Amino acid sequence: GAGVSQSPSNKVTEKGKDVELRCDPISGHTALYWYRQSLGQGLEFLIYFQGNSAPDKSGLPSDRFSAERTGGSVSTLTIQRTQQEDSAVYLCASSYRDRFYEQYFGPGTRLTVT
Amino acid sequence: AQSVAQPEDQVNVAEGNPLTVKCTYSVSGNPYLFWYVQYPNRGLQFLLKYITGDNLVKGSYGFEAEFNKSQTSFHLKKPSALVSDSALYFCAVSGSSNTGKLIFGQGTTLQVKP
Repeated sequence: GAGVSQSPSNKVTEKGKDVELRCDPISGHTALYWYRQSLGQGLEFLIYFQGNSAPDKSGLPSDRFSAERTGGSVSTLTIQRTQQEDSAVYLCASSYRDRFYEQYFGPGTRLTVT
Repeated sequence: AQSVAQPEDQVNVAEGNPLTVKCTYSVSGNPYLFWYVQYPNRGLQFLLKYITGDNLVKGSYGFEAEFNKSQTSFHLKKPSALVSDSALYFCAVSGSSNTGKLIFGQGTTLQVKP
């Protein structure tokens, strides 16, 4: 079956611009997660959705970062006024509600801020 | 605060030899522990988990991991390494609140040489 998909696969943007990253979870997965993978910081948790609600958004680095999920499916991570330190691979994962430990990851979006 | 440490940036093993990738953790309460693998140009894949029960857990591709509470360790093992096992391995922990938020280690690159 179809896995987690993310778009775009690569995004180059100028410092100060806004970007939107999209995640399509596996059908039937009610839980959705965003992580960031960067050279200096490793894999960092950003935010977790259960349905359309975000019970844990403790990993969002600043108020420039926001995320939403609609219809219990697609999620969008928005970064406003991008900075060079935002350059990273942004990973999305999804899981069944009661199998949170088995998260299926998408291929990621590589964001480069110039 | 929960944390995971992978003390080795890289592990080199000859094909056919046993391999161990080390992981130690710090968490309040009972830990939920996981191993994920990232093959080159591919997304993160779930390998195995420890939640409760036997200290030796078996996972995908012949991997296993041993939970040691007294040493707060969860080392990944395989009796006989394959060249195709070469990848980046991440240990992760989730707190007993089970929100789905995974805290990852920095990752260990496994290099299996023929």
